[in-house]
Amino acid sequence: KQEVTQIPAALSVPEGENLVLNCSFTDSAIYNLQWFRQDPGKGLTSLLLIQSSQREQTSGRLNASLDKSSGRSTLYIAASQPGDSATYLCAGYSGNTGKLIFGQGTTLQVKP
Amino acid sequence: EAGVAQSPRYKIIEKRQSVAFWCNPISGHATLYWYQQILGQGPKLLIQFQNNGVVDDSQLPKDRFSAERLKGVDSTLKIQPAKLEDSAVYLCASSLVAELFFGEGSRLTVL
Repeated sequence: KQEVTQIPAALSVPEGENLVLNCSFTDSAIYNLQWFRQDPGKGLTSLLLIQSSQREQTSGRLNASLDKSSGRSTLYIAASQPGDSATYLCAGYSGNTGKLIFGQGTTLQVKP
Repeated sequence: EAGVAQSPRYKIIEKRQSVAFWCNPISGHATLYWYQQILGQGPKLLIQFQNNGVVDDSQLPKDRFSAERLKGVDSTLKIQPAKLEDSAVYLCASSLVAELFFGEGSRLTVL
């Protein structure tokens, strides 16, 4: 069974810090990995999509990378701000099952 | 560009009652998904449509849940009868190719 683990489950940092969120898959046959942000009581907002031919994507202060050989992805947030406080979820398409599998999320709090 | 629209945003019902949720995907998106998200967990796929055909409903509890996507656009998810464990946020998403776009979700509380 394909599982997705996000580490850490929760993170609290002071404003301005650079931070890394991790996502790993038991099935390394992953393609099309997507990172989302979810604010309390809201739906998921797409942040970055890494397609099968890509290894990383960047948007503003966010950079996501995917290492298919190890089944791991990282989301790097530079110069964190209080507005970045939210839950971040990764989701990957399994090449074996053809399903999009979500992690449980990392809840980030950035303190002013 | 309008996003994925869902309604109602909130619904409170008693167990054994029925409820229906509606979703209007982004215009032109052929693929539509319904996810269930229980508090503190990641979303779980209930059903995936490609146009008006079902691609995957393997995790849909078919004894009480049903979904349809008439004319390949809007979709409705129904629960009948509801159980306490159905309390969750029901998220609709759509995609054109690979990237998924989600609506705000419909929060269901079953008492």
